[in-house]
Amino acid sequence: GESVGLHLPTLSVQEGDNSIINCAYSNSASDYFIWYKQESGKGPQFIIDIRSNMDKRQGQRVTVLLNKTVKHLSLQIAATQPGDSAVYFCAENISGGSQGNLIFGKGTKLSVKP
Amino acid sequence: GAGVSQSPSNKVTEKGKDVELRCDPISGHTALYWYRQSLGQGLEFLIYFQGNSAPDKSGLPSDRFSAERTGGSVSTLTIQRTQQEDSAVYLCASSLVQQSSYNSPLHFGNGTRLTVT
Repeated sequence: GESVGLHLPTLSVQEGDNSIINCAYSNSASDYFIWYKQESGKGPQFIIDIRSNMDKRQGQRVTVLLNKTVKHLSLQIAATQPGDSAVYFCAENISGGSQGNLIFGKGTKLSVKP
Repeated sequence: GAGVSQSPSNKVTEKGKDVELRCDPISGHTALYWYRQSLGQGLEFLIYFQGNSAPDKSGLPSDRFSAERTGGSVSTLTIQRTQQEDSAVYLCASSLVQQSSYNSPLHFGNGTRLTVT
């Protein structure tokens, strides 16, 4: 079946380096995508989203890239800091779909080494 | 402003007991979701309330699980005759418009950690 997934379950980076977290999706009907950050013991926190008619969107230190040709989504974090250590989830929204439209990936754990 | 509030933050119960988990969404948010998250896992959709429409219950794992939303605000997730496999973090989320959409993402609470002994 169609699903949202991640290429890597864990990612370890050095403080100050840039991080790239990847996500693959398979539903061509998905019309927008979201990245969430979940710190230990907390609920997921919205980071950034992007519509399917865009290929790039920037926030504060974060950039989301969408490649619809290969159904790939990535989250780039610039100058990664220890506070960025968390699990990152991508989600895809399917208008008119079930589950309130959102389907979440399994998550990537980002560890930042000082 | 106030975010999504869930209570209790932790709940330990004996197998076979019933539990009620509460969610106070952000004021004015019309959509409310319940998810379940097992240790180190992703988010499992349970149920979705959309304004005054009938809820989407397609994710409820068994008839022991039920949820209601009174007055379009507070929601309660009830698990009857709890089993050990029900142990997980139960997350509630709300969004401003009827369906999570661009510029109206989900806002999550910090969850209720349920342990069934």
